[in-house]
Amino acid sequence: DVKVTQSSRYLVKRTGEKVFLECVQDMDHENMFWYRQDPGLGLRLIYFSYDVKMKEKGDIPEGYSVSREKKERFSLILESASTNQTSMYLCASSPPLAGGPGEQFFGPGTRLTVL
Amino acid sequence: QKEVEQDPGPLSVPEGAIVSLNCTYSNSAFQYFMWYRQYSRKGPELLMYTYSSGNKEDGRFTAQVDKSSKYISLFIRDSQPSDSATYLCATSNSGGYQKVTFGIGTKLQVIP
Repeated sequence: DVKVTQSSRYLVKRTGEKVFLECVQDMDHENMFWYRQDPGLGLRLIYFSYDVKMKEKGDIPEGYSVSREKKERFSLILESASTNQTSMYLCASSPPLAGGPGEQFFGPGTRLTVL
Repeated sequence: QKEVEQDPGPLSVPEGAIVSLNCTYSNSAFQYFMWYRQYSRKGPELLMYTYSSGNKEDGRFTAQVDKSSKYISLFIRDSQPSDSATYLCATSNSGGYQKVTFGIGTKLQVIP
């Protein structure tokens, strides 16, 4: 079974704090993704990575950065947390692209609250 | 206009009903059409997908794509309380990097 794990299920932080969300996958997938999920807005792509040390901006990268030093680990960083970053954060991974739908395997999510 | 439009519901049906979930999309380049299911407090999981137009059946679930009208459907026969979840449609291109575009999800509740 593919497993994608996220470091925390629930996190409460203060405005201005630096926040690290960690994601680890155990299926040797090249591609990893960070989304946020909000009611009425659905899943929105923040950043993705298709290789170690590679990163690409998604649809809403402002206020976030990422790090991928190892293939299995993809970190999302909120440099200075703000209340509008309160959300559910979902990490996903997918295997190499050789046709197919690009199925993504998701972690359980981290519910981040910024006070 | 969003690339994938989906009615968020909620949709409430009695057990045993046939459920119809729908999405529309705008990008003709999309080749893969997927349905993800997300239970409460879990990440989404791929339920099934189709390539290009046509139907695909898997047990009680049927996915249908009409590329001429850019319409994606998921039918659930003999719905069960365990089908209660949020269903997200999703699309992607073929070849190269495949960005997956998700609908916002329809919340379904099946009442026993």
